[in-house]
Amino acid sequence: KQEVTQIPAALSVPEGENLVLNCSFTDSAIYNLQWFRQDPGKGLTSLLLIQSSQREQTSGRLNASLDKSSGRSTLYIAASQPGDSATYLCAVDDYKLSFGAGTTVTVRA
Amino acid sequence: NAGVMQNPRHLVRRRGQEARLRCSPMKGHSHVYWYRQLPEEGLKFMVYLQKENIIDESGMPKERFSAEFPKEGPSILRIQQVVRGDSAAYFCASSPVAEGENVPLPQETQYFGPGTRLLVL
Repeated sequence: KQEVTQIPAALSVPEGENLVLNCSFTDSAIYNLQWFRQDPGKGLTSLLLIQSSQREQTSGRLNASLDKSSGRSTLYIAASQPGDSATYLCAVDDYKLSFGAGTTVTVRA
Repeated sequence: NAGVMQNPRHLVRRRGQEARLRCSPMKGHSHVYWYRQLPEEGLKFMVYLQKENIIDESGMPKERFSAEFPKEGPSILRIQQVVRGDSAAYFCASSPVAEGENVPLPQETQYFGPGTRLLVL
């Protein structure tokens, strides 16, 4: 059974600081790994998808890496802004998604 | 192209009543997934369906819960005789499939609906 862990559970940083969110998973037989953003009371927004054959993906200020052999992924958010405040979810896909509990980020203005 | 639609967005039921949650996938998507997010917990997979077929229901509670995705119309998640512990956000997602095949595309994400928030009084 796939277990996904996200560290830290919560993070508070001043505006402009870089964010580093960690995700680990136990079974490396995955199609892909995805990072989502969830705002309070809202649905999920897909941020980045890394296929199992890839090492990283970038979109704007976001960069995600994947090391399948060690079962780890890291999401980097550069130059954080208050609008980045949300819960970030890591999910591994072996046709169904297994989610971590999330990292709740607060960016202070 | 409209996104994944879920209705109702909010649903209040008393203990013992039935709850019906609907999900219309994105146009062209024939695979639907249901996930549940209990208060203070992460999202958990419930069931994976394609038209007229349940592919994986390993995450569904053994009793009171059922799901269907008929040939016509939305996917339905049905909860009979609701209890307070069923209060949660229920999310539906859909994904495209490889042309000519019936398996999800690994390079495609699942697209999530806005969720239905069920409150059982």
